[in-house]
Amino acid sequence: AQKVTQAQTEISVVEKEDVTLDCVYETRDTTYYLFWYKQPPSGELVFLIRRNSFDEQNEISGRYSWNFQKSTSSFNFTITASQVVDSAVYFCALSVNNFNKFYFGSGTKLNVKP
Amino acid sequence: AAGVIQSPRHLIKEKRETATLKCYPIPRHDTVYWYQQGPGQDPQFLISFYEKMQSDKGSIPDRFSAQQFSDYHSELNMSSLELGDSALYFCASSSWTGRSPLHFGNGTRLTVT
Repeated sequence: AQKVTQAQTEISVVEKEDVTLDCVYETRDTTYYLFWYKQPPSGELVFLIRRNSFDEQNEISGRYSWNFQKSTSSFNFTITASQVVDSAVYFCALSVNNFNKFYFGSGTKLNVKP
Repeated sequence: AAGVIQSPRHLIKEKRETATLKCYPIPRHDTVYWYQQGPGQDPQFLISFYEKMQSDKGSIPDRFSAQQFSDYHSELNMSSLELGDSALYFCASSSWTGRSPLHFGNGTRLTVT
């Protein structure tokens, strides 16, 4: 069975602080894909990143970085120098093999205060 | 770049009415997915289609049905609406062969009164 756990329900930071959103996943499949999506207050789901199970390279995109560690089944997301516009709910998701289902975590609501 | 288009953006219906949500996938995407997101919840998978055939089914109520048409657009039909059906309904598309990530539309917010 597949499962994604985002233990942090809500995080509040002050602008310019760094913040890390945790994601732990469970799967017995050897081939799987991990994703992060952002859901701002307007409601849409914005794709941020995809990682496959064979690629443990960490990735940096501007102020965003992702740390994928198979040994701990984690795919954490760090925002450096957070901004008010980063305020949103962030979902980590897992899919296996055929892409037919995304297993979403429960989401982490990030509040960035000025 | 073209995105997934959903219509309508907002829909208000009364209990026991029917509703039809439409989804137009990204061009050349052959797979469509429907998700339901209740207030404060994560998106829940309802159903998916690949090349106009149902490819997987999740927690979709029997009162709901969906199909994908020859032009790859999809419609989610919801009958005998209940208050609990009030939610944000997302459509997403991807390219099966390209293993692309799911690209979500902006969602349809359904309110049942």
